[in-house]
Amino acid sequence: DGGITQSPKYLFRKEGQNVTLSCEQNLNHDAMYWYRQDPGQGLRLIYYSQIVNDFQKGDIAEGYSVSREKKESFPLTVTSAQKNPTAFYLCGSGYSGNTIYFGEGSWLTVV
Amino acid sequence: QQPVQSPQAVILREGEDAVINCSSSKALYSVHWYRQKHGEAPVFLMILLKGGEQKGHEKISASFNEKKQQSSLYLTASQLSYSGTYFCGKDGGGGADGLTFGKGTHLIIQP
Repeated sequence: DGGITQSPKYLFRKEGQNVTLSCEQNLNHDAMYWYRQDPGQGLRLIYYSQIVNDFQKGDIAEGYSVSREKKESFPLTVTSAQKNPTAFYLCGSGYSGNTIYFGEGSWLTVV
Repeated sequence: QQPVQSPQAVILREGEDAVINCSSSKALYSVHWYRQKHGEAPVFLMILLKGGEQKGHEKISASFNEKKQQSSLYLTASQLSYSGTYFCGKDGGGGADGLTFGKGTHLIIQP
């Protein structure tokens, strides 16, 4: 079935650790996105990629890194530089025109 | 800049109507509406393009007033399944560079 798969669903990070969230899509979409969601804040754009081997910073890119080596994959690394990483992370994809279809999300908690 | 949604929350009885507004201080190229259930991914409802068009999805419709830089989502004869948080996402016309979302409107439908 076509869709967007995020893993893991739940992740716990210790202080000072880097963690990577996986996002894979088989919808043949060119564009992929990472959003962060905090209670009462809506969704905020971290990074986006319109084509393979190219990506752009969104509104809150500090403390995060991404790669886009394959069209299907857009992993997000939350680095130790991100001081408040506890949040719900959403990966999305779409064609041009900005309609975004989201995966099921990943919950990241700092312990 | 984040679009402003109003109201922040609405409580309705099943069968009642609701209107959710989304406005922007900057020009809107298009507006996208999503619904999110708690702990789940946002689900795309519809896109409104320039031209003041109105679209419908079951008993949910929306309008887009380009001059006023605002969009409204109309839910008629609400059903229990309509409960959730509704987000509008604005497209600034930069191609597939992501949407800027409002903070959301919480809709609770009571039997």
